[in-house]
Amino acid sequence: KAGVTQTPRYLIKTRGQQVTLSCSPISGHRSVSWYQQTPGQGLQFLFEYFSETQRNKGNFPGRFSGRQFSNSRSEMNVSTLELGDSALYLCASSLVDSGSPLHFGNGTRLTVT
Amino acid sequence: GQQVMQIPQYQHVQEGEDFTTYCNSSTTLSNIQWYKQRPGGHPVFLIQLVKSGEVKKQKRLTFQFGEAKKNSSLHITATQTTDVGTYFCAGPGSGAGSYQLTFGKGTKLSVIP
Repeated sequence: KAGVTQTPRYLIKTRGQQVTLSCSPISGHRSVSWYQQTPGQGLQFLFEYFSETQRNKGNFPGRFSGRQFSNSRSEMNVSTLELGDSALYLCASSLVDSGSPLHFGNGTRLTVT
Repeated sequence: GQQVMQIPQYQHVQEGEDFTTYCNSSTTLSNIQWYKQRPGGHPVFLIQLVKSGEVKKQKRLTFQFGEAKKNSSLHITATQTTDVGTYFCAGPGSGAGSYQLTFGKGTKLSVIP
């Protein structure tokens, strides 16, 4: 069974631009979560989607948004990029239930210059 | 909001020594999960504990869930260089936040051969 696939692996953007990251979950997994990982803050929860509905949102500004499609694939968007948005963005999929183990993708390394 | 704290932040051990990381939640957890992230990699699920006082073993790794379901520990016996990485604990929120998995900041383990 294929794992969680995230594209692209690396991105370099300029401050003020916007970016879209993509995530394909494991087949059969309907929940997709996004995390931001930085050396100082660790793994910070962004949002979680199930059946195209956002069930939980973390404490991030409105510049961070996401969506999920009917095939469970998900995208997250960051608008008006800031230097502090440089991070590893991880997508994880899981089965339906809350608290189910997460299966992470390899992440997208975003660098904002 | 829910907080999950881990100590120590870093641990350097000689190969063959034991290692323990501790995790504490500000709220009672329905379950606790442990993940390992190798350098340059993504978090990988290790185990989930659900019951109060539960102890589970995976070869040289022993996981324990506290009686009050607010703390947990991971103990590695006779560390090997393959154990190098960052170990995270994570717990789901409650109520409306139950689809959000909150991670501790992790314990980074270095093993000196």
